[in-house]
Amino acid sequence: DSGVTQTPKHLITATGQRVTLRCSPRSGDLSVYWYQQSLDQGLQFLIHYYNGEERAKGNILERFSAQQFPDLHSELNLSSLELGDSALYFCASSVLQVGTGELFFGEGSRLTVL
Amino acid sequence: DQQVKQNSPSLSVQEGRISILNCDYTNSMFDYFLWYKKYPAEGPTFLISISSIKDKNEDGRFTVFLNKSAKHLSLHIVPSQPGDSAVYFCAASGAQHRTNAGGTSYGKLTFGQGTILTVHP
Repeated sequence: DSGVTQTPKHLITATGQRVTLRCSPRSGDLSVYWYQQSLDQGLQFLIHYYNGEERAKGNILERFSAQQFPDLHSELNLSSLELGDSALYFCASSVLQVGTGELFFGEGSRLTVL
Repeated sequence: DQQVKQNSPSLSVQEGRISILNCDYTNSMFDYFLWYKKYPAEGPTFLISISSIKDKNEDGRFTVFLNKSAKHLSLHIVPSQPGDSAVYFCAASGAQHRTNAGGTSYGKLTFGQGTILTVHP
């Protein structure tokens, strides 16, 4: 158990819909990262929040947005969903923004868009 | 543009033997490399890392080798155990790669596609 909690674990929805994925980082961790893993692909970095502020952005689509709240949990919002958005979405946390890159990952949220 | 590549989708090894997982990268700005292990229905778990100032890092049965001139790293597992059966991802990070307008992000990693390791009893 990494200490990172993601909900929901599974989500099935239709094209055009909007979903929200939630992540609670490990106790004490200030950084939250979101990664997307599509079929047969490695994990793709989406976005990083540190103590409520956006610190880095990857190739995140404009239809996607994220935020980190004062209690440090984070939400990833995916809108106008397309079939290609079906993927595993991982949240990870770490203590500091500056570190060795070691991240603690949640179990992921599997999104299926039909 | 795949900056980190794991060209072997799968590897099968006998228990007790050595497992060698390979990873190639193209971005010369990468200066920190990590290996993660992933079991089904779980998130990736950090395994071992290496800085570009080193060419070897060892942790128990796991050793990572870095060949900067060849832009190649490998993970050696000796001896392999059935519990090592999992998907292994290599990942890379670099100073320039980490920097966005908002600042430095050491968790901004570029991952390979993964290699499925199966260790047979």
